[in-house]
Amino acid sequence: GAGVSQSPSNKVTEKGKDVELRCDPISGHTALYWYRQSLGQGLEFLIYFQGNSAPDKSGLPSDRFSAERTGGSVSTLTIQRTQQEDSAVYLCASSLDPSRLDTQYFGPGTRLTVL
Amino acid sequence: TQLLEQSPQFLSIQEGENLTVYCNSSSVFSSLQWYRQEPGEGPVLLVTVVTGGEVKKLKRLTFQFGDARKDSSLHITAAQPGDTGLYLCAAETSGSRLTFGEGTQLTVNP
Repeated sequence: GAGVSQSPSNKVTEKGKDVELRCDPISGHTALYWYRQSLGQGLEFLIYFQGNSAPDKSGLPSDRFSAERTGGSVSTLTIQRTQQEDSAVYLCASSLDPSRLDTQYFGPGTRLTVL
Repeated sequence: TQLLEQSPQFLSIQEGENLTVYCNSSSVFSSLQWYRQEPGEGPVLLVTVVTGGEVKKLKRLTFQFGDARKDSSLHITAAQPGDTGLYLCAAETSGSRLTFGEGTQLTVNP
């Protein structure tokens, strides 16, 4: 694909349900990032995957949030027992080689609404 | 407190006017980036500034990195409606993650 893709584009769920958000990075990019953006605000770092290294999970806001990256490509962000404060746009980005300060390319995001 | 403070938070101007957006911090950064984000899309990188005092131009956009590498500005000359969007500054912090400012929402009215 030409860029980072994310699915679904919109997700409406009820409080207490689990949700899975998917990210397909640009082929060949070794680094993958998840960010969260509240309405009209800047982005908040959640988690970072780089190659086969252990992910940097330091931005995850609670243990209800988890993410995995299978085969060094696709990533899934899971939110368990969703709360209304989880409502936000979840953005994924990938970069070729973060050690060279390569550009992070962002997907269009998944807008999550928790009722 | 925010690591990167952007101002103003909102800006609404008429087509043809000039404007400046600021990104300030008390921390020193090896580089700063500016992004523009349009509704329903992810941020798109406009520029990366690396050297203190550096000035970069991208058509009608001029980016400057402060001498002490703690702040940056974005100046737009003769703004056009197509410049409307959320402008975000960001800096690389630990582990290659980006820390973002809260953004400046720019509206250029025709």
